[in-house]
Amino acid sequence: DTAVSQTPKYLVTQMGNDKSIKCEQNLGHDTMYWYKQDSKKFLKIMFSYNNKELIINETVPNRFSPKSPDKAHLNLHINSLELGDSAVYFCASSVQGNTEAFFGQGTRLTVV
Amino acid sequence: GIQVEQSPPDLILQEGANSTLRCNFSDSVNNLQWFHQNPWGQLINLFYIPSGTKQNGRLSATTVATERYSLLYISSSQTTDSGVYFCAVRNTGGFKTIFGAGTRLFVKA
Repeated sequence: DTAVSQTPKYLVTQMGNDKSIKCEQNLGHDTMYWYKQDSKKFLKIMFSYNNKELIINETVPNRFSPKSPDKAHLNLHINSLELGDSAVYFCASSVQGNTEAFFGQGTRLTVV
Repeated sequence: GIQVEQSPPDLILQEGANSTLRCNFSDSVNNLQWFHQNPWGQLINLFYIPSGTKQNGRLSATTVATERYSLLYISSSQTTDSGVYFCAVRNTGGFKTIFGAGTRLFVKA
């Protein structure tokens, strides 16, 4: 049983397209996140949701729109993809407060 | 915001050697984790260690929260230990995990 699962694992698309990445967790956590890992392996938080409410939006372009239909899911929709959006996107989840966060396997997005 | 610094940035070891990775953070935190990102890109949880010492096989970690640092020890390194090791801390509100830049480890056979 995968704790945090993302789909797809790989995504290759052309500039200007719109794409979505899905994330689901079966850990019963109430907080979910999206992180972006750039080519230098640096991991930066993009969004955080707690009980389906947006808690953190780290000055991400509004072409990125997260959606949390329920506590177990946090999807990421990206409009008008740009070359600079190429990266690995990680979904994660935890319980609010001082607890361990668990990460999905990542989605490698390549914009051509 | 909290700054997280990891050292060394790069490390090459001969198989069987021991090493210590360090994580310094600039403010009080109540949550600290160590991750290993393997060559396939997976982020694997190693330790959840806001304070104290933990051991798991050849790996152990110590966090001294009052002095704002954590150490990850790898003993008898193996080639499968290669990858990037990240330290990550969470702020007091508990909604934002900040990562260090990582230590890239390569273990030679």
